[in-house]
Order: sequence, then C-alpha cells, then structure tokens
Amino acid sequence: QKEVEQNSGPLSVPEGAIASLNCTYSDRGSQSFFWYRQYSGKSPELIMFIYSNGDKEDGRFTAQLNKASQYVSLLIRDSQPSDSATYLCAVTPSGGYQKVTFGTGTKLQVIP
Amino acid sequence: AAGVIQSPRHLIKEKRETATLKCYPIPRHDTVYWYQQGPGQDPQFLISFYEKMQSDKGSIPDRFSAQQFSDYHSELNMSSLELGDSALYFCASSLAGRGETQYFGPGTRLLVL
Repeated sequence: QKEVEQNSGPLSVPEGAIASLNCTYSDRGSQSFFWYRQYSGKSPELIMFIYSNGDKEDGRFTAQLNKASQYVSLLIRDSQPSDSATYLCAVTPSGGYQKVTFGTGTKLQVIP
Repeated sequence: AAGVIQSPRHLIKEKRETATLKCYPIPRHDTVYWYQQGPGQDPQFLISFYEKMQSDKGSIPDRFSAQQFSDYHSELNMSSLELGDSALYFCASSLAGRGETQYFGPGTRLLVL
C-alpha cells in the first residue's frame, strides 16, 4: 500500500462545476498536508496547505482535513478549463525538514 | 517574488557519462530537496539538506551524490548514467521552522541516450 493514495482519474467535470479531489494517507503521525497542481512537463505548484482538522478556504479552493479518517480533500469551485492538470496530494510526517511523500496524482479535466 | 532556480533546464547525456544539476533556493530558504519524476509518475524524493547538512535520504542511487554549499545552493551529481535515469529532476526549497511548505523549481529534464 502506498503511503499516500489518490484516484488517478481522469476526473472530468464540466466548466463551472465543483471538482472534488480525494487523498488518503497511511501514516497517522502525518501532520502537514499539501495540494500541488502540476501541468504536463512543468513543476508542481503549491495550491493549498493545511495542518488542522476542518476546512481551509482560499479563493475557489477549499482543502478539507480529517485526521481521524486519514483523509484530505481539495474542492475546486467554479472549475475552469485552466484548472485542467494533475493534482498531487503531499504529506509530511512532522515539522522541520522532513521529506514530503506524494500521491500519484489525480488528473482533472474541465470540459468547456 | 524570487523563485527556485535550476540549471540547466535541459540536459542530454550518453550512458555512463556524468551530470551535475544545480539548484538555487529561494533567498533565505535554508532547506533544499531533490526529487526525480519519471514519465507519468509522482515525484520521488531523493535527498534533502538543511543548513548544509544532509537531513533526509530517500531513494537516491549510490551513483548519485549531492551537497549544499555555504550560499545554500545545492548540486546533484550523477555518475555512470543509465537510460533509466532519464527523468525530470526537481529541486524544492523551504524555510525550516515555517512548516515544510516546499516551493519547486522549474526542473531539469535529463535525457540519457
């Protein structure tokens, strides 16, 4: 079992809809959670980070964390074709300079 | 705002040759991470440095070595290159003590022929 699991997709949503991306992790000690967006051939770009249980909103993006269920999600409201990319969930076990473990990513396609 | 700089952006090498990739972190960032990403795969952590000392080690082959210098830039040295080393190599940097939010550079695309 991978440490960080994501549905590889592709997840297709119509323009203007809400895209919901999910991620589960195996290490209960994980404390920091990140969502990165990666366009093909480009580097990962940080979208959101979340440390505490609950929701965190930033513009059209909302990250949700449930440590009891070891589950983190990303909601994208009013999806745009430019949101079409691979979304990587990343988890790090503790503070400081620990490595980040990535999920395999979910490919999102927003259909105009 | 200044970002992570990587050089070169593209590199073509023959099997058994050596390659050196360079990474310049965001100013005042003291931690550097190296990742390898093969086609269709997620980034795999190779190695990280904090304040010029190796802080964590992942799936880095023994043929590879890396270091962080006094100006915090880092170099990844790859020897006896193999076809399977062809990948995107990303460097990321962060500021320890501010969480582990890592900001990625544009990557170096290495092709081994």
